Amino acid sequence: DAGVIQSPRHEVTEMGQEVTLRCKPISGHDYLFWYRQTMMRGLELLIYFNNNVPIDDSGMPEDRFSAKMPNASFSTLKIQPSEPRDSAVYFCASLADSYNEQFFGPGTRLTVL
Amino acid sequence: GQSLEQPSEVTAVEGAIVQINCTYQTSGFYGLSWYQQHDGGAPTFLSYNALDGLEETGRFSSFLSRSDSYGYLLLQELQMKDSASYFCAVRSSTGANNLFFGTGTRLTVIP
Repeated sequence: DAGVIQSPRHEVTEMGQEVTLRCKPISGHDYLFWYRQTMMRGLELLIYFNNNVPIDDSGMPEDRFSAKMPNASFSTLKIQPSEPRDSAVYFCASLADSYNEQFFGPGTRLTVL
Repeated sequence: GQSLEQPSEVTAVEGAIVQINCTYQTSGFYGLSWYQQHDGGAPTFLSYNALDGLEETGRFSSFLSRSDSYGYLLLQELQMKDSASYFCAVRSSTGANNLFFGTGTRLTVIP
């Protein structure tokens, strides 16, 4: 398996624009997690899905953020409109049920100007 | 709520042993995980402890004391490539399969 795949790897956009981050989890994994990492706030869980259903979105900072998982092999995290304070590295991770190891994707480095 | 405390920085000499401590506060504790992250990279899993005691995996070991809400990661025979950030993370009943991460310990290995 190629591991967790994220795209794009880097995104530079201007304030107010819509940003869509994409993730393909490892095949067969039941859980998918979206994290945001910044120097100030560390690694924060934004939302996670179990079998494509959102379980906990309490970490989503505000209504500008939304996430979907239309099927077991694809998820998106959308920011609309984007703001400079959204600049961070966004990681997607997946987990197989009954296991303890989350597999992280390479991350998307987002810069909002 | 949940909280984790770990030192922000540790420096150690190549070939030496270093211990990175983690104390936590959470309700419904399930287990403690450790992840390694190199600069510019993604976190990678090192270990998971659900029960008290020491788990050894090669040069790395992880310890947990549930009664003390405390754990540590032990790195032996340090190598330059071990320079990275190390995160402890708790798994608890507040989110059965999600993790709450500490702020990380940056380990610098010097010759």
